[in-house]
Amino acid sequence: DIQMTQSPSSLSASVGDTITITCRASQAISFYLAWFQQSPGKAPKSLIHATSNLQSGVPSRFTGAESGTDFTLTITNLQPEDFATYYCQQYNSYPLTFGGGTRVE
Amino acid sequence: EVHLSQSGGGLIQPGGSLRLSCAASGFSFSSYSMSWVRQTPEKGLEWVSSITESGDNTNYADSVRGRFFISRDNSNGTMYLQMNSLRAEDTAVYYCAKDHALFSMDVWGQGTTVIVSS
Repeated sequence: DIQMTQSPSSLSASVGDTITITCRASQAISFYLAWFQQSPGKAPKSLIHATSNLQSGVPSRFTGAESGTDFTLTITNLQPEDFATYYCQQYNSYPLTFGGGTRVE
Repeated sequence: EVHLSQSGGGLIQPGGSLRLSCAASGFSFSSYSMSWVRQTPEKGLEWVSSITESGDNTNYADSVRGRFFISRDNSNGTMYLQMNSLRAEDTAVYYCAKDHALFSMDVWGQGTTVIVSS
C-alpha cells in the first residue's frame, strides 16, 4: 500500500498568513494527488485534483505543487473560512490512501 | 446542482448487517465511478470501496473485503454499501463520493454515522 505522510499535523496561523502543507508518498504516484478541506462536522470538500488543478469554485489562493514524491498545498492570504483540516490523497492505485491530516488553527 | 444524499446509518450490534444508500442528482450518474470513504477520530479518512461506472468492477479495502459489498443501480441513480458481519472497528462516519480517474472525489455526500455496539 502507498503510505501518505502529511506534515505538519497541526499549525497555528493568522488571517493574511501564507501556509504550506506537505504530503510525501511512499512510492511514485505520478500526478494523482488530491487535496481536501474539512470543517468540523462537515464532509470533506475537494480543493485540488491532479496535483495542481483547482476544482471549480475554489479560490486561487489555494495552490498545489509537486517535487518528486513530495506534494505541497499552499494557501496565501489565509481567510477565516480557511481554518479547517486538510487532507491529501493518492489515487494512483488501490487501495486509495489519505494523509493523516493537517489542522490549521 | 450536483448532490449526493445518504441514508441508512444507525446503531447495530456486532455481527449484524446494515445497508447504506447514496442517491445522486444533478449529474449523469452512470458516467462516473463512485466510492465509499469512512472516517474515525483515530484513523482519519479511510477509503472503503469503489465501483466503476457500469458496476462491472469493484475494489475493497482489505479491512472490509469479504464483509462489505458495493453496488449501484444506474436506473435510479443510487449506490449502496451492504455491510455484513459488522465489528466495533467499523464504527465510523461513512461518506459516499462521486469519483473520477482524473478529478478524484470531487463531490461528497453529507455522511452517515454507523455505530457498532452491543
